[in-house]
Amino acid sequence: KQEVTQIPAALSVPEGENLVLNCSFTDSAIYNLQWFRQDPGKGLTSLLLIQSSQREQTSGRLNASLDKSSGRSTLYIAASQPGDSATYLCAVMENTDKLIFGTGTRLQVFP
Amino acid sequence: EPEVTQTPSHQVTQMGQEVILRCVPISNHLYFYWYRQILGQKVEFLVSFYNNEISEKSEIFDDQFSVERPDGSNFTLKIRSTKLEDSAMYFCASSVTGGGTDTQYFGPGTRLTVL
Repeated sequence: KQEVTQIPAALSVPEGENLVLNCSFTDSAIYNLQWFRQDPGKGLTSLLLIQSSQREQTSGRLNASLDKSSGRSTLYIAASQPGDSATYLCAVMENTDKLIFGTGTRLQVFP
Repeated sequence: EPEVTQTPSHQVTQMGQEVILRCVPISNHLYFYWYRQILGQKVEFLVSFYNNEISEKSEIFDDQFSVERPDGSNFTLKIRSTKLEDSAMYFCASSVTGGGTDTQYFGPGTRLTVL
């Protein structure tokens, strides 16, 4: 059974720092991996989707990498801002349409 | 930009009552999903729906749950007899295609509180 783990569970950094969020999954037979952002009491906003054949995706200050064989993905956030404060979730999709989510990393960026 | 909408934003009900959560997926999307998130826990898949049929459902999605697309725009989740443990945030999502080639777009959620 696929398990998705994210570390750290929480992170507090000063504005301007570059940071890395980690996601690991136990079964490498995935179709894709997605990173989401969740603001308190709100829905999920898709940030990046990496297909299983891809190694990375970039959007603005965000870069996500995927190493399928080792069951790992990282989300790199450059020059963090207070507006980046949120919970970041990674989710994998196997041979169905369902997403399997990790527990998330709660990020706080302080001025 | 098109988005998934959900109503109500918060629903409070008594244990044993029926509730219907409503979603309007993005208009050209063909695949629809419900997920839930119990406070402090992971987001969990409930059901996927395509071509007026359930494609897949989790073990959470038992006989108390049902989904329907009653018209061309709405997608609903019904819980027939709510339990305390059904209290959670329920998210609707939609995608253009299935099979992992497309992003799932999530709505803002409905917070269900069962008393």
